[in-house]
Amino acid sequence: QQQVKQSPQSLIVQKGGISIINCAYENTAFDYFPWYQQFPGKGPALLIAIRPDVSEKKEGRFTISFNKSAKQFSLHIMDSQPGDSATYFCAASSLPGNQFYFGTGTSLTVIP
Amino acid sequence: EADIYQTPRYLVIGTGKKITLECSQTMGHDKMYWYQQDPGMELHLIHYSYGVNSTEKGDLSSESTVSRIRTEHFPLTLESARPSHTSQYLCASSEGLGLEQETQYFGPGTRLLVL
Repeated sequence: QQQVKQSPQSLIVQKGGISIINCAYENTAFDYFPWYQQFPGKGPALLIAIRPDVSEKKEGRFTISFNKSAKQFSLHIMDSQPGDSATYFCAASSLPGNQFYFGTGTSLTVIP
Repeated sequence: EADIYQTPRYLVIGTGKKITLECSQTMGHDKMYWYQQDPGMELHLIHYSYGVNSTEKGDLSSESTVSRIRTEHFPLTLESARPSHTSQYLCASSEGLGLEQETQYFGPGTRLLVL
């Protein structure tokens, strides 16, 4: 059973546009929600993470929005650039030290 | 840039062969993980370790085995490879002492093809 559901599977955005990737979860014990970015031939790398005590976290052009009541969280990439083209995974875990559950990934392509 | 290494990066092997995928990290992390990654699918945890001589199976059933004799080394072994084992295998580590330390650092992966 998939613990974290991610959509869309693929996304094409014009340079300068906003990329939005959504994730949903069921387990209310989850309290740590990271996003990972993966380039071809590389392993995933942590991009940004949030805990449910805040509704939004911003780092540069990347923002996580978190809706605890809806059990949903999303990644927004503002002013998307071709260099942002990668696969993005959301994940969730119940800390401390517990297993991470990953979404199925979103392949983002930013066209010039 | 995380210091976690995987070898080989690519492996093509025949059915029935024994293989070992290597994973090493130089960060002194206690926690290490093996994930299986297939296109369009979530990363599935197949093994993890919270320290030397500690190994556990993840949610995804796997015929592979792991060992953790040294902190920095977490090899994965398939005694008899089959075509169903064809996948990408990702190794990761984390310090595991609190919120910030839960960041998992991934290696570049080993892409395995079993003929």
